[in-house]
Formats: sequence, C-alpha cells, structure tokens
Amino acid sequence: EVQLVESGGGLIQPGGSLRLSCAASGFNFNPYSMNWVRQAPGKGLEWISYIDGSSSAIYYADSVKGRFTTSRDNARKFVYLQMNNVRAEDTAIYYCARDVADCASGPCYEIRFDFWGQGTLVTVSS
Amino acid sequence: EIVLTQSPGTLSLSPGERATLSCRASQSVSSSYLVWYQQKLGQAPRLLIYGASIRATGVPDRFSGSGSGTDFILTISRLEPEDFAVYYCQQYGSSPRYSFGQGTKLEMK
Repeated sequence: EVQLVESGGGLIQPGGSLRLSCAASGFNFNPYSMNWVRQAPGKGLEWISYIDGSSSAIYYADSVKGRFTTSRDNARKFVYLQMNNVRAEDTAIYYCARDVADCASGPCYEIRFDFWGQGTLVTVSS
Repeated sequence: EIVLTQSPGTLSLSPGERATLSCRASQSVSSSYLVWYQQKLGQAPRLLIYGASIRATGVPDRFSGSGSGTDFILTISRLEPEDFAVYYCQQYGSSPRYSFGQGTKLEMK
C-alpha cells in the first residue's frame, strides 16, 4: 500500500527555519517525482515544489523560490522541504504528493498527483 | 502563467441531482495535462480525473470529465451524500510547473 507521511510541522517565528519530511513506503520510490503542495487555512491548494527521481530537476513556485529548498534521500525514501526565512503567509498545511505520468513514448502525458500524504501543519507566528 | 478559474464558487444541490463544475484556463491547456481532485473536510486531496477525462482507480463512474482547450467540465451524474466536498482542477505547464484552480465547493442543499 502506497503511503506518504509528512512530519516536522509546528509553530515557528517569522524569519525562522523548519524542515519538513515526507516518508514514503509501499512503492519503489526512486523513479518517482515528488511534489510539495500547501493549503493555507480555509484556502485552496498551492503547488510549491517539484523534485524528480534523481534530484536533477527541482522547481519552485515564485512564492517560495530562494527561501525553500527541496531534496530527497532515495536510500531512506524521504523527501524534505527546508523552509528558511518563513513568513506569516507560509502558514499552511503542507502535503507531499507523488507525481506520475505516462512517459513511455517520449514526452510525458497524463501527469497527475496520484497519492497524497495527510499533511503537516506549519504555523508562522510570533 | 496559466490561470485556472473555477465556477461556480459554491454549488448547492441535493443528493440524486446532477452537478456540473467548470474549470476555465486563461490559455489553452493540453487535455493530457488537466486533472481534477476532490477534497473532503479535514482530508488530503484525492485524485479523481486525469487527462481531462480518465477516471482514477476506484473512482465511481458517476464522475466524468470532459473538455478541451480552455474549457473543462467535471460532471457528477447523480450526487451521493459522500460527493459533497471541494473540487479542484489542476494543470501542468511551464512556469509555474503546476497550478490549481481556486476550487468549487459542492454543498448539500
């Protein structure tokens, strides 16, 4: 059974740092790209970061670029989100999500997030 | 940047009725890259439809997706009590790599 379990959330002061973890199990982790998606209280979903299976392609939303860093440890089957210089507007539930696509014939099609973790809450407040 | 606009913001219907949710893109989106998710209160999103019209594993056939170009539709043919939730569309693009619509809340009348 595919499982994604986030951890590391909590209360943090503005300007502080926090590292979120996402533990993957139940599937061959290495080939899969992963994403971080967040949801501010009462708001919609916001994609914030992507990392491919080999960590050779990493992308960020403009809202977090330069402050957040995504990495992964394929041996341990973890994805991480290092959050630096956090702001009040970073308060949200942070989800990791598995990225799948059909890439058999060259370009990738039918890209989607097929499994999500339950999320971890980050609250930025003084 | 492609912006996805979902309408209506809230849809009030009764069980057994048909629901039609819209997702409009500011520029043309390949159908292959248009996805729908369902999110129930307090839960993580769940994949419903990908490739604009392909139901994900385990999704009941009362859910269907259609559309192309800039206009996409999620239809729920006969609402069940468990279908009342928030629905998001998502697209894959260049910058940002992914974006979501703001969501449609489907509430019970």
